Amino acid sequence: GEDVEQSLFLSVREGDSSVINCTYTDSSSTYLYWYKQEPGAGLQLLTYIFSNMDMKQDQRLTVLLNKKDKHLSLRIADTQTGDSAIYFCAERLSGTYKYIFGTGTRLKVLA
Amino acid sequence: GAVVSQHPSRVICKSGTSVKIECRSLDFQATTMFWYRQFPKQSLMLMATSNEGSKATYEQGVEKDKFLINHASLTLSTLTVTSAHPEDSSFYICSARPRTGGEPSTDTQYFGPGTRLTVL
Repeated sequence: GEDVEQSLFLSVREGDSSVINCTYTDSSSTYLYWYKQEPGAGLQLLTYIFSNMDMKQDQRLTVLLNKKDKHLSLRIADTQTGDSAIYFCAERLSGTYKYIFGTGTRLKVLA
Repeated sequence: GAVVSQHPSRVICKSGTSVKIECRSLDFQATTMFWYRQFPKQSLMLMATSNEGSKATYEQGVEKDKFLINHASLTLSTLTVTSAHPEDSSFYICSARPRTGGEPSTDTQYFGPGTRLTVL
């Protein structure tokens, strides 16, 4: 099946690092994405990684990809209260431009 | 760059009426646009893929006669919910994939802010 799974909730203290995990299903996915959604809003692209990469860093964000285990993670360094939102991973199915979204992880940052 | 807008942002209608939602790519041309539906506290479910100048491709279980999609230009796609019923109440989000060979990158989709539909 095409299920992309994430843990539902994550709570961290301001200033700590957050790690959001995702497991995907299509081993031949070419791109994997992380999106942020604030309440009542659309999706904001945070970062994406090409399948031939193991890691990508962009300021406070670090993406790790383990293709063997089909596992993707997003680490947010120095988490701030403004980072509180729902985070979705998504895989782009091989040979298409279709995305399959994960279940979403609700991140709550405590002051 | 890469801004996608949706209109309206929120709509309330009576059961049995039809509602049209517009999705526009403001600063790029989009070969393909996608329509998603999101139920409260759930993920996005792809409804259909819309290519400019051709018929939309619907995902399994999505009624094409109920959710009419028109992609008339490289910057505009519309979703019409026909004879809406309360169970059609949801958050509808569109996304756009830039035209090949241009900027921004075609590697990703750019999402609109969503339209909240409430059917009474």
